[in-house]
Order: sequence, then C-alpha cells, then structure tokens
Amino acid sequence: LAKTTQPISMDSYEGQEVNITCSHNNIATNDYITWYQQFPSQGPRFIIQGYKTKVTNEVASLFIPADRKSSTLSLPRVSLSDTAVYYCLVVVNAGNNRKLIWGLGTSLAVNP
Amino acid sequence: NAGVTQTPKFQVLKTGQSMTLQCAQDMNHNSMYWYRQDPGMGLRLIYYSASEGTTDKGEVPNGYNVSRLNKREFSLRLESAAPSQTSVYFCASSEPLSLALADTQYFGPGTRLTVL
Repeated sequence: LAKTTQPISMDSYEGQEVNITCSHNNIATNDYITWYQQFPSQGPRFIIQGYKTKVTNEVASLFIPADRKSSTLSLPRVSLSDTAVYYCLVVVNAGNNRKLIWGLGTSLAVNP
Repeated sequence: NAGVTQTPKFQVLKTGQSMTLQCAQDMNHNSMYWYRQDPGMGLRLIYYSASEGTTDKGEVPNGYNVSRLNKREFSLRLESAAPSQTSVYFCASSEPLSLALADTQYFGPGTRLTVL
C-alpha cells in the first residue's frame, strides 16, 4: 500500500509561491492523489486532485511526475489567509474496495 | 444547504460512560466516514459506510461502533469511553463518481471529545 510522507511544517511570506511535496513511493496504477486544506477548529476542505501530469484550478496547481512517486501542491502568491495545514491523501482503489492513505499534514505559516 | 452537520460540538465524559456522536448530510451522498484527529497523528479513519446498509472498519475501529441509520445519517458510538479516545472526531461524506475517480469528501465541523 502507498504510504504518504510530507514535511511537518513550512514558512513563507505573503506574495510568494509555495510548493509542498508529498512522497508516495508505493502508489499503484489506479490510485489517485488528493490534497485538502484545514484551518483551526474546522474540518478539512478539498483543494485539488490529480492522477498524472499537471492539474490547475482557481486555487492551486498539482504537479505529478511520470513515475507518480511524489506530487507537489503549488499555491501561487500566498496570503495570510493561506495559513493552514495541508494534507496529502492517496486514494487506493482496489476493485470494489477503497483505502484512504492520509499524510500527517504540513503546517504552512504565511508571514507578512 | 447545511452540508455535513455534527452534534454535539463539545463533550466531556468520564471513563466508562457511553455516548453517541451524530452526523447528518443533506447532499444525498452515498458514502460516509468517521475520522479521529489527534495532534501529530493526522486523520485516522475509524469506520466508513460505502452506501446505506453497509459499514466497514477503517484503520482504528477498536472501541467504536457505527450505525448507518439511513442515507443521511451515520452515527458513531463509544460504548465505554476511555481517556485514549480523547480526540476531535470528524464526519465526512462523498459521492463516488466511479471507481476510476477519487471522490471529494465534505467534512463536518467536528466534535471535540474529552474523556476524563
């Protein structure tokens, strides 16, 4: 089964681009990569999801190399409100069963 | 739409007491989940229900039971609470588009449980 590993914390400044990388060495062919954001005292919220190459939405981009052993969440021009914990999730699809492999989260602090 | 609601928001129990955490969703989702979140441990899946009438164990099911009462509601029961069950509990729901896609989970606001 895939295991997800991500940095415990990161620091940045307003206006900078932030890249958070998640390692998932044992990812299988049918597994999907998803990222969630969590603010204090709230439940996690979906940010972006991908399978391979690059995905972009209004909030973030997700880069996945060809071997899919890692993925990088990119937040362009962060603001103070992007201070949160970011979780990498690998959704393991095995026939009719599904397993959820969550990372331990990366605490991002955006400074003025 | 309320999305996913959880009750209560806070609860303090004594060791050995029982309680049920309630979760409801109004998005007509088939799948529902219960997680616990502890400092430094991330999110750990306790139980999930792929559809009404089915439940399956997750990563940390010991000490818990669940009931998928109907499509909207999924409850989590602690029969005999222990201090190790002090945690923040999140309920989530999703609608799997297909086995080829990962579905988006929508989370509730959480229940903060303390067991003394």
